[in-house]
Amino acid sequence: GAGVSQSPSNKVTEKGKDVELRCDPISGHTALYWYRQSLGQGLEFLIYFQGNSAPDKSGLPSDRFSAERTGGSVSTLTIQRTQQEDSAVYLCASSLVTGGGLYEQYFGPGTRLTVT
Amino acid sequence: KQEVTQIPAALSVPEGENLVLNCSFTDSAIYNLQWFRQDPGKGLTSLLLIQSSQREQTSGRLNASLDKSSGRSTLYIAASQPGDSATYLCAVQAGTALIFGKGTTLSVSS
Repeated sequence: GAGVSQSPSNKVTEKGKDVELRCDPISGHTALYWYRQSLGQGLEFLIYFQGNSAPDKSGLPSDRFSAERTGGSVSTLTIQRTQQEDSAVYLCASSLVTGGGLYEQYFGPGTRLTVT
Repeated sequence: KQEVTQIPAALSVPEGENLVLNCSFTDSAIYNLQWFRQDPGKGLTSLLLIQSSQREQTSGRLNASLDKSSGRSTLYIAASQPGDSATYLCAVQAGTALIFGKGTTLSVSS
């Protein structure tokens, strides 16, 4: 079946502009995660959605970052007033359920964001 | 705070060798440990998931072990092939999200 898809695959934007990154999880997966992979920083958690519960935003680096998940499926990560340090690969993952950590997280191909 | 360390950071071996990648974590209170593979410019591919109650998992030429009490996991790759060249990431789940190590970049020469 179809895996996690993300769009765009690459995004170049000017400093100060807003960007939106999209994630389409595996059908039936109720948990959705956003991670960021920066040079020298490794992979870091940003935000997590589980069903209709309030999202866990504990990993968001600043209030310029926000995310929403509509209808329990597609998610959009928005970065406002982008800065050069926001340049990274943004990865989305989904899993069946997160409770107890029993299920694998499946990752999308990522969106490479470059802020010039 | 949970920290995950992977050693070595890079490894080069000739084709056919058996090899071991190491992962250590500081807090043994985990739900599971997952090994991923990442090819250049690509996303992550899940290789093996070990639940906290398990000691090891096997898939083909890959075998992953978990010693939760000592905070260690190893990924054993048998009879390495050039196609195994990639970055291997270890991640633990203790709460909502995965906490990743920085990876071991493996190069297998033919």
